[in-house]
Amino acid sequence: DVKVTQSSRYLVKRTGEKVFLECVQDMDHENMFWYRQDPGLGLRLIYFSYDVKMKEKGDIPEGYSVSREKKERFSLILESASTNQTSMYLCASQSDFNYGYTFGSGTRLTVV
Amino acid sequence: KNQVEQSPQSLIILEGKNCTLQCNYTVSPFSNLRWYKQDTGRGPVSLTIMTFSENTKSNGRYTATLDADTKQSSLHITASQLSDSASYICVVSANSGYSTLTFGKGTMLLVSP
Repeated sequence: DVKVTQSSRYLVKRTGEKVFLECVQDMDHENMFWYRQDPGLGLRLIYFSYDVKMKEKGDIPEGYSVSREKKERFSLILESASTNQTSMYLCASQSDFNYGYTFGSGTRLTVV
Repeated sequence: KNQVEQSPQSLIILEGKNCTLQCNYTVSPFSNLRWYKQDTGRGPVSLTIMTFSENTKSNGRYTATLDADTKQSSLHITASQLSDSASYICVVSANSGYSTLTFGKGTMLLVSP
């Protein structure tokens, strides 16, 4: 089975801090995604990547950036964390765009 | 605009009872539809995937149906267990290139003893 590992289950950061959320997948998948999930809003796409060093903006990229230096790793960066970025962050990988996702366990980020 | 609507938003049932969750979509061109189960504080896990030509697919006590003509899907849970308490998310894939998945907001199911 594909495994998607997110480095932290829970994080608490201060406003203004730079935050790195790491995601690693072990099945050589081409596509990787970052979502945030908020009550009543469902999953919203932040960024995705379809190849190393490639990235595309999703629906809500403002305040975020990403890095994909290696195929197996996709990092989400909050340059200056704000309280409205408190959320559950989900990473997913996909072998190609015709297949479903395998999700990580999620990172619950709280910005205080 | 592609959309996926799920109903009900939330549901409480007694352990051992059956229930059915609904998903209506307006996604084009349709590729496939998945149901995910998401336990509280965890990432979603795939239950079933259905393509255009499939009407019914089962995974244990979970049975998904798809009516591509009316653009509706349902997830039926039989003989519910406490461990079925979770959010169930319907996700529809369009066959149109990047970022092709449209997510429903989920149905929160609580199975009560």
